[in-house]
Amino acid sequence: AQKVTQAQTEISVVEKEDVTLDCVYETRDTTYYLFWYKQPPSGELVFLIRRNSFDEQNEISGRYSWNFQKSTSSFNFTITASQVVDSAVYFCALAYGNKLVFGAGTILRVKS
Amino acid sequence: SQTIHQWPATLVQPVGSPLSLECTVEGTSNPNLYWYRQAAGRGLQLLFYSVGIGQISSEVPQNLSASRPQDRQFILSSKKLLLSDSGFYLCAWSRQTDQPQHFGDGTRLSIL
Repeated sequence: AQKVTQAQTEISVVEKEDVTLDCVYETRDTTYYLFWYKQPPSGELVFLIRRNSFDEQNEISGRYSWNFQKSTSSFNFTITASQVVDSAVYFCALAYGNKLVFGAGTILRVKS
Repeated sequence: SQTIHQWPATLVQPVGSPLSLECTVEGTSNPNLYWYRQAAGRGLQLLFYSVGIGQISSEVPQNLSASRPQDRQFILSSKKLLLSDSGFYLCAWSRQTDQPQHFGDGTRLSIL
């Protein structure tokens, strides 16, 4: 069965610290897609990244980077030099059939 | 470009009253459409999804129903609201299953 686990319920860091959000997934499919979303306090979900199972290259976008490792079924998200505006709930998700299976989310609190 | 509209932003309803939340998408045709609920401090629960007009898949047995009367319109309804229906309701669309879902701003529903 498809499953996404975000074991970190809540993380607190001080501004400028680096922080990594963990995501572990389970699937029997050989082709699959993974996503990360950000939910700021205002509530809307913002799409951050989509990764397919054939592309294991790490990706960097500004202060954001993603580490995809099929061997450990992980798709971790790192924020470098965190800022207060990064405070949000972050969700990892796995595409399955016509749906996305979401993890429970990690609350990130960045303090100034 | 594509946009998704969801309304109302907030709603306070008495127990036993009916509900109708509407979601429309602009700038694309034949999108996949989704309704999610998020209880306070919790993850996303998929309620319904639709891959075409009149095609509705229900994920969780509950007091709610969904309809898709037009290609880009998705409606969430209830005949009689329960206290447990309180939450944050999000509508989303995607081009295909493996493509990112894009979310509306959500509706905060409080049942009194």
